[in-house]
Amino acid sequence: GAVVSQHPSRVICKSGTSVKIECRSLDFQATTMFWYRQFPKQSLMLMATSNEGSKATYEQGVEKDKFLINHASLTLSTLTVTSAHPEDSSFYICSALTGTGYQPQHFGDGTRLSIL
Amino acid sequence: DAKTTQPPSMDCAEGRAANLPCNHSTISGNEYVYWYRQIHSQGPQYIIHGLKNNETNEMASLIITEDRKSSTLILPHATLRDTAVYYCIVRVRRNTGNQFYFGTGTSLTVIP
Repeated sequence: GAVVSQHPSRVICKSGTSVKIECRSLDFQATTMFWYRQFPKQSLMLMATSNEGSKATYEQGVEKDKFLINHASLTLSTLTVTSAHPEDSSFYICSALTGTGYQPQHFGDGTRLSIL
Repeated sequence: DAKTTQPPSMDCAEGRAANLPCNHSTISGNEYVYWYRQIHSQGPQYIIHGLKNNETNEMASLIITEDRKSSTLILPHATLRDTAVYYCIVRVRRNTGNQFYFGTGTSLTVIP
């Protein structure tokens, strides 16, 4: 149980392109989803918290107009990197959390984004 | 915002127990400790979590000190596949909900 699917697993595109990443909870309803970013040999950095039906909460230093998050249903959240540039190249990972108590978050397998 | 500190790296002989420490001295009374591991280029995998009692599952054991300021993850019989970065995380409560902040983690290498 508690499977989170992230798609696509890898994206290579030209500078200036917008890229959408999907995060789905397959066998549970996720009231909250998180988006993380990870650079090589570094830890995960929380970018934003997404609650179903409400606006995402962004961490300090993360541009909300650059990283658009939509959490329109209890099983799907999307992250759109708008007008991507080479410095946006990174490993993006989502996780999902049920609203019940202190259950752990469960992670997708990540998306490797490369901007040329 | 990371509320945990861990040694950056550890080695363990295959078949032996791997004991990974974590310091969370500022933990609040109702905050849980979560352990995850990440193998290169994959999403973190959940291992175990606990509040104040010791916990055990099919993957590992979690020992939390009585004052809750530190904990130890125990992999009883480490295998080569246990080589990964292990993260100890405390959930942070905010008005907007709960967030999880990752520290730097411990890179565990299991040696044949």
